[in-house]
Amino acid sequence: QLVLTQSPSASASLGASVKLTCTLSSGHSNYAIAWHQQQPEKGPRYLMKLNSDGSHSKGDGIPDRFSGSSSGAERYLTISSLQSEDEADYYCQTWGTGIGGVFGGGTKLTVL
Amino acid sequence: QLQLQESGPGLVKPSETLSLTCTVSGGSISSSNYYWGWIRQPPGKGLEWIGSIYYSGSTYYNPSLKSRVTISVDTSKNQFSLKLSSVTAADTAVYYCARLIGYDSSGYYYAWQPIDYWGQGTLVTVSS
Repeated sequence: QLVLTQSPSASASLGASVKLTCTLSSGHSNYAIAWHQQQPEKGPRYLMKLNSDGSHSKGDGIPDRFSGSSSGAERYLTISSLQSEDEADYYCQTWGTGIGGVFGGGTKLTVL
Repeated sequence: QLQLQESGPGLVKPSETLSLTCTVSGGSISSSNYYWGWIRQPPGKGLEWIGSIYYSGSTYYNPSLKSRVTISVDTSKNQFSLKLSSVTAADTAVYYCARLIGYDSSGYYYAWQPIDYWGQGTLVTVSS
């Protein structure tokens, strides 16, 4: 059963960097994912596609401060030079055979 | 700039059918490169994938909702639609339409349909 696991919350200081993690369940470590950002009271926004080898491609207008990387079954989203508008929920997304689209539970990022 | 806009009733009675339409502007729903999908988010909760459709009419549904969901496409109006039957309070959510990548410019096929554009969402409340 494909499951994407994310920590419920994370925090970091203004101007610092933070690394968010999305973990793929056993047997799915080669899956690509997408990262999405949802600011408070807004719809989600696509950030990037991230492959198992760490290669990634970002959506239109996504700042260079956002980057992705991978290690085994873990997919990372790193945000550097944190700004107040980065305070948001972050979701990972992929696809399971026979079940379709799958989302992680989301990580709520607080910028201190 | 691609834009997706959801429309439909904000209040639906229990046991009735929820119907929403997504109007696409700035791009063609007939493009062979993309799928078009629906995702929902109950208040205070995470995202749930409902289903997706290709311009040709091929559909993919969440198994947990499959018996109640129909997604269709109207290429003449550049719209696609969601119908969810026999709704209950558990179907109360913000419903988002989205564009999903099928093929990129080099012809690479994305079987996993990553979402690359979202609508702003519309709240549907199920209540008598």
